[in-house]
Amino acid sequence: GENVEQHPSTLSVQEGDSAVIKCTYSDSASNYFPWYKQELGKRPQLIIDIRSNVGEKKDQRIAVTLNKTAKHFSLHITETQPEDSAVYFCAASIGGFQKLVFGTGTRLLVSP
Amino acid sequence: DAGVIQSPRHEVTEMGQEVTLRCKPISGHDYLFWYRQTMMRGLELLIYFNNNVPIDDSGMPEDRFSAKMPNASFSTLKIQPSEPRDSAVYFCASSNVGGQGISYEQYFGPGTRLTVT
Repeated sequence: GENVEQHPSTLSVQEGDSAVIKCTYSDSASNYFPWYKQELGKRPQLIIDIRSNVGEKKDQRIAVTLNKTAKHFSLHITETQPEDSAVYFCAASIGGFQKLVFGTGTRLLVSP
Repeated sequence: DAGVIQSPRHEVTEMGQEVTLRCKPISGHDYLFWYRQTMMRGLELLIYFNNNVPIDDSGMPEDRFSAKMPNASFSTLKIQPSEPRDSAVYFCASSNVGGQGISYEQYFGPGTRLTVT
């Protein structure tokens, strides 16, 4: 079935460094790729998303890139801060519709 | 808007008991999703509704699980009978799709932490 692979599972960086999380998807009809941040004990919250007609999107320190040919998309966080520490999930829509399949998550730890 | 509302926030029950989780989506949203999150399996979609109609229940693990959406502002997820392996955090989410089937943000509720002993 459709799946989304996410790497790495854990990522430790020093404050101020950049962090990159990568995902691959299998459904060629996927057209929507959101990224969610989940802090411990909290709900997942959308931080950025990208649609298939765009190759890159940026929002302050966060950017997402999409390569539809290779079925890859990535999250880039620059100038990381301790409050960026959380679990990050990528997701891809299935069949071009509302159904999302989530990656397994990346635990990001930003050390001061 | 208060966002997606779920109740109860925590539920502890004994194996074999019936459990009912409740969700109120954001007003005006026409999609509602039920997810289950565990360490082992991550975030899994159980079922989703569009305009109160179940669209895809392929993620429902077995017949012990059922979900209903009697109106646009209320949905339930029921487990009967419950088992220890059902212990997880259950999230409800809602969204509003735009034109041409383009997906939009799913807003998650705070979740219900279910423990079955």
